[in-house]
Amino acid sequence: EDQVTQSPEALRLQEGESSSLNCSYTVSGLRGLFWYRQDPGKGPEFLFTLYSAGEEKEKERLKATLTKKESFLHITAPKPEDSATYLCAVQRGGNTGKLIFGQGTTLQVKP
Amino acid sequence: NAGVTQTPKFQVLKTGQSMTLQCAQDMNHNSMYWYRQDPGMGLRLIYYSASEGTTDKGEVPNGYNVSRLNKREFSLRLESAAPSQTSVYFCASRGNFGGLGETQYFGPGTRLLVL
Repeated sequence: EDQVTQSPEALRLQEGESSSLNCSYTVSGLRGLFWYRQDPGKGPEFLFTLYSAGEEKEKERLKATLTKKESFLHITAPKPEDSATYLCAVQRGGNTGKLIFGQGTTLQVKP
Repeated sequence: NAGVTQTPKFQVLKTGQSMTLQCAQDMNHNSMYWYRQDPGMGLRLIYYSASEGTTDKGEVPNGYNVSRLNKREFSLRLESAAPSQTSVYFCASRGNFGGLGETQYFGPGTRLLVL
């Protein structure tokens, strides 16, 4: 059964304190792994798509990496505006585009 | 370019009432999706439409129906609302993100409370 598990559920950091969020997955024929950011009361906002093990993508203070079993979202020197819930999702092979989401990690960055 | 729009933003229903959630996208995407989001459960797929004229069940379809009215619009209907359908509903469409690969674009959500 396809499954996505994110850890930790919640993370509190001081401004400037770097850390990583984890996304473990089991899926038949991974077509892509997606990271989204969700602010309270809003829809998820796309961050990255990773397609194969070893791939890395960066955007400002965020860097996403992918292995055969998990993905990490590294946050370097976070700022309070990075506070949000980060969602991980996987898409299996085929062309339906269906995503399986993890429960999310809620990040709070204190000034 | 409005992206994905949803109406209404918020709705309160009584048990047994019916309603339709509307979704429209202006990005010329073929595929559209309906999700619900509940605390601790993540986003779960209700129904999807791979292309105009087709719809398929997702993970949690019971109690819902959908209509792909045309390429732009994909509606979700609750025929007889139940308290268990209290949730936040998101519509999404799938397309390419500025050459960075394919992804789903989400609307702002509809918050539904069933009493």
